[in-house]
Amino acid sequence: DTEVTQTPKHLVMGMTNKKSLKCEQHMGHRAMYWYKQKAKKPPELMFVYSYEKLSINESVPSRFSPECPNSSLLNLHLHALQPEDSALYLCASSQWGSTGNTIYFGEGSWLTVV
Amino acid sequence: EDQVTQSPEALRLQEGESSSLNCSYTVSGLRGLFWYRQDPGKGPEFLFTLYSAGEEKEKERLKATLTKKESFLHITAPKPEDSATYLCAVQEGGGGSNYKLTFGKGTLLTVNP
Repeated sequence: DTEVTQTPKHLVMGMTNKKSLKCEQHMGHRAMYWYKQKAKKPPELMFVYSYEKLSINESVPSRFSPECPNSSLLNLHLHALQPEDSALYLCASSQWGSTGNTIYFGEGSWLTVV
Repeated sequence: EDQVTQSPEALRLQEGESSSLNCSYTVSGLRGLFWYRQDPGKGPEFLFTLYSAGEEKEKERLKATLTKKESFLHITAPKPEDSATYLCAVQEGGGGSNYKLTFGKGTLLTVNP
């Protein structure tokens, strides 16, 4: 069983709504990630946080706003999304170090924008 | 040009029919190569991490191997519950790249009873 927990599992929102996706991990990892996955495609990196600071933003539109309140929690705030933003949003975590770090994924949050 | 290429795109096996999935990569300074299993509608489940050529890891019916250019995921006597998409991903060395996975497009494995 994954130790990265995501809520909600499913979310339907209108284009004018504001909603948030939440993620929690208790593995003591200091790197946390948001990925986006469209049907029949591999996951695409959106953001990386290390030690609660944003390290990588893969040129994601500002309608997606990440937040890392502490080392165990990661949020993704959603506002004014488009239907093409409908996808599976995956949270992940890993250790933070100089060697290759195994990244563990949560079950994902299915987002539908109507 | 894709940095990570998986083949075949889809593979259909009979239960008990062993086979291999391939992942070839062209990144320099490999930090790690990862195999994940993904069931429909779920997040990728970690299987193996390989760090250097010659390394092998096993878990139940799965065995992963690594050379300087490719990795194989060998499936021995598969069962229907092994049906899933298998994703290969690599991490390059240097700075923030340590934390970025480059995924292949995956191999959809179907095992018929």
